Amino acid sequence: EIVLTQSPGTLSLSPGERATLSCRASQSISNNYLAWYQQKPGQSPRLLMYDASTRATGIPDRFSGSGSGTDFTLTISRLEPDDFAVYYCQQYIISPGTFGQGTKVEIK
Amino acid sequence: EVQLVESGGGLVQPGGSLRLSCAASGFIFSNSEMNWVRQAPGKGLEWVSYISATGNTIYYADSVKGRFTLSRDNAKNSLYLQMNSLRAEDTAVYYCAGRHWTGGVIVGLADYWGQGTLVTVSS
Repeated sequence: EIVLTQSPGTLSLSPGERATLSCRASQSISNNYLAWYQQKPGQSPRLLMYDASTRATGIPDRFSGSGSGTDFTLTISRLEPDDFAVYYCQQYIISPGTFGQGTKVEIK
Repeated sequence: EVQLVESGGGLVQPGGSLRLSCAASGFIFSNSEMNWVRQAPGKGLEWVSYISATGNTIYYADSVKGRFTLSRDNAKNSLYLQMNSLRAEDTAVYYCAGRHWTGGVIVGLADYWGQGTLVTVSS
């Protein structure tokens, strides 16, 4: 099983600031089969990025993904009020399709 | 409009059974890989099970293997999760989630999500 560790657990930032979220895998993820999801309270998760750096349909370009192997990053260039939420990474190269424990981006 | 609507959740005693259903519309269900993902109260996401578009390939998380059975009926655009021998730790919101199949086996990735159905296992 691939274990994903996200850091930090909580990120306190102000609107307009840059957010950098990290996801580290316990073993290399081939083909960069790594996704990022956003979840707001009381809502279902929403796919943001897949294949580490490809934005899902309708996702604004202030969201970007990077990384390869075991280290991946989700960057939000300028935080908007709607971006404060919990973010999860997920690998889908092998079963089980494990998730990280999440990073909460909160308003400072 | 893509829609996934889960049903079948509720309160069940430890050791009991439930069958969750997911009704799909607005996309080609028979050409979509599907998953169940759960979220315990106040916790993160946990992938539970995957089924390929044809139903020929199925995977389970170790935590549910041998107790849960995933199936689909492409003629009815529906996904099912039979849950037996339920435990307190199975208490969670269960999400039906999927994506259009683009080749290979992609376990867990999903861009369609339902609103979830709550399963509570308690005496």
